[in-house]
Amino acid sequence: EDQVTQSPEALRLQEGESSSLNCSYTVSGLRGLFWYRQDPGKGPEFLFTLYSAGEEKEKERLKATLTKKESFLHITAPKPEDSATYLCAVQAAGGFKTIFGAGTRLFVKA
Amino acid sequence: DGGITQSPKYLFRKEGQNVTLSCEQNLNHDAMYWYRQDPGQGLRLIYYSQIVNDFQKGDIAEGYSVSREKKESFPLTVTSAQKNPTAFYLCASSRGPQSYEQYFGPGTRLTVT
Repeated sequence: EDQVTQSPEALRLQEGESSSLNCSYTVSGLRGLFWYRQDPGKGPEFLFTLYSAGEEKEKERLKATLTKKESFLHITAPKPEDSATYLCAVQAAGGFKTIFGAGTRLFVKA
Repeated sequence: DGGITQSPKYLFRKEGQNVTLSCEQNLNHDAMYWYRQDPGQGLRLIYYSQIVNDFQKGDIAEGYSVSREKKESFPLTVTSAQKNPTAFYLCASSRGPQSYEQYFGPGTRLTVT
């Protein structure tokens, strides 16, 4: 069964304290892995798509990487405005559905 | 400005009443989706549509119904048969059903008492 597990459930950082969020996935052939940011009470905002192991993408303080079993979202020198829930999702080759993880809630304190 | 709109933002209903949530997109996307989000859980797919006049059940379709009469619109009806309808509902669209990122609307929070 296709599955996505995100860890930790919650992460508290001081401003400037870099860290990583993990997304482990089990899928019968990966077509694409997606990262989203979701603020409280709002819809998820698309961040990145990764297609193959070794691929990396960056946007401001965020960098997403992909291996054959997991993806990491690295946050460099975070600011309080980076506080949000980060969602990971995968789509299997030959399938249609996108499977979402439960998310990691990130809190960045000034 | 291209995007997805959902209305209303908040919706309150009494048990036993059907309610329809609106979703409109002007991105010219073919595929549209409805998800339900509950605290501590990942998004769960209710229904999806790949083209106009066609839609399929997702993982939790019981108690819900949809229509896709126009490319831009994909309304969701929460019927009285849905056992636990109170949730945050998200509509999304993508260029096509496979390997494309989905873009989400702002969501509708439905409370049924």
